Amino acid sequence: EPEVTQTPSHQVTQMGQEVILRCVPISNHLYFYWYRQILGQKVEFLVSFYNNEISEKSEIFDDQFSVERPDGSNFTLKIRSTKLEDSAMYFCASSTDRTSNQPQHFGDGTRLSIL
Amino acid sequence: AQSVAQPEDQVNVAEGNPLTVKCTYSVSGNPYLFWYVQYPNRGLQFLLKYITGDNLVKGSYGFEAEFNKSQTSFHLKKPSALVSDSALYFCAVRDKGGNNDMRFGAGTRLTVKP
Repeated sequence: EPEVTQTPSHQVTQMGQEVILRCVPISNHLYFYWYRQILGQKVEFLVSFYNNEISEKSEIFDDQFSVERPDGSNFTLKIRSTKLEDSAMYFCASSTDRTSNQPQHFGDGTRLSIL
Repeated sequence: AQSVAQPEDQVNVAEGNPLTVKCTYSVSGNPYLFWYVQYPNRGLQFLLKYITGDNLVKGSYGFEAEFNKSQTSFHLKKPSALVSDSALYFCAVRDKGGNNDMRFGAGTRLTVKP
């Protein structure tokens, strides 16, 4: 069964540095998402992306964050100047279309640790 | 805005017993409801969804969930729990007429003891 893949599995970065988290969504999916999960807390929506532009974003997704689909397969989340509170698991997800009844398929996440 | 609540942080059941993981939702319109499971160091795995129609939906691994509109609930159930069902379970909701972002509950840790 096709999977969403995320790299790296664990990223350790100094505070203030830029970090790029990478995702390869399922190949025939058109809608892409990023979520984060701070340790022990709920999964929080960050952003959705469709047709090469942001569809929706949450209040968490401020100017420090950006997303990009640089080629036909990758979907990236960039955090420009990391803060300690950015430490979390970041999950990428994709779905077949923008119909809200379709389940999203998640990757295994990238654990981001800010020192 | 849509939201879900999972009132129990932890549910413990004995293997072979039935299990229930509770979820209540709040949306302005009609909901799409989902259950996901998360095993250690893994992403969220889709279990089942309610879109419309029969209030009892069946999903993966023998799980089912019952949509109750009057109680705004969507509890996850399984008739006979397995030790391998031990994991973190998340309920999620999307507003049928609203944004496409999915709102998750805080999660319930299910522990099934042999």
